[in-house]
Amino acid sequence: QVQLVESGGGVVQPGRSLRLSCAASGFTFSNFGMHWVRQAPGKGLEWVALIWYDGSYTYYGDSVKGRFTISRDNSKNMMYLQMNSLRAEDTAVYYCARDPGVEGAPLVVFDYWGQGTLVTVSS
Amino acid sequence: EIVLTQSPATLSLSPGERATLSCRASQSVSSFLAWYQQKPGQAPRLLIYDASNRVTGIPARFSGSESGTDFTLTISSLEPEDFAVYYCQQRSNWPPTFGQGTRLEIK
Repeated sequence: QVQLVESGGGVVQPGRSLRLSCAASGFTFSNFGMHWVRQAPGKGLEWVALIWYDGSYTYYGDSVKGRFTISRDNSKNMMYLQMNSLRAEDTAVYYCARDPGVEGAPLVVFDYWGQGTLVTVSS
Repeated sequence: EIVLTQSPATLSLSPGERATLSCRASQSVSSFLAWYQQKPGQAPRLLIYDASNRVTGIPARFSGSESGTDFTLTISSLEPEDFAVYYCQQRSNWPPTFGQGTRLEIK
């Protein structure tokens, strides 16, 4: 069965960096685009970033563009989110999510989600 | 950026009743709208994609429909496990955006 497990969250001071990881299993990871989606405490969902199945293209939401970097290692079935210059408003649960599009343009729908990892930006 | 407005913010119903949740887009999204269910402490779950296509394994009591820029998620007869927050999401225009959610609570 498809499983996505995030890790790397924690408490970090404003301006510092953090790297999140997403371990995938139960499907051919290298065939699927992947996303990060976040949810601030008690708030709704916000799409953060997308990486194509082969890593050839990446896209970011305006609120994180220039500060966050999404990447993947298909040999390890892993996806990452490098978060730099963190701000208080980046505090959220970060979910990794699979895109159901196979070896092509992502469909930009989220068919499987991890359990999330909490990032708290606070001094 | 396309804005999705969900209504009502909170819907109070009893098990066995019919639930109608709405999502209005600020401009055309064609049929590229999905619905997700989120229970407390859990990740969202995809229910419906492209307005009316139910995901495999989702009960038939969940259905989606559209009329122009207005989209509806209907739960025909509420089960206790259906009480949750529901989000709509569009993939027609970049960036993908979500509605603010409708909380479906037990009356």
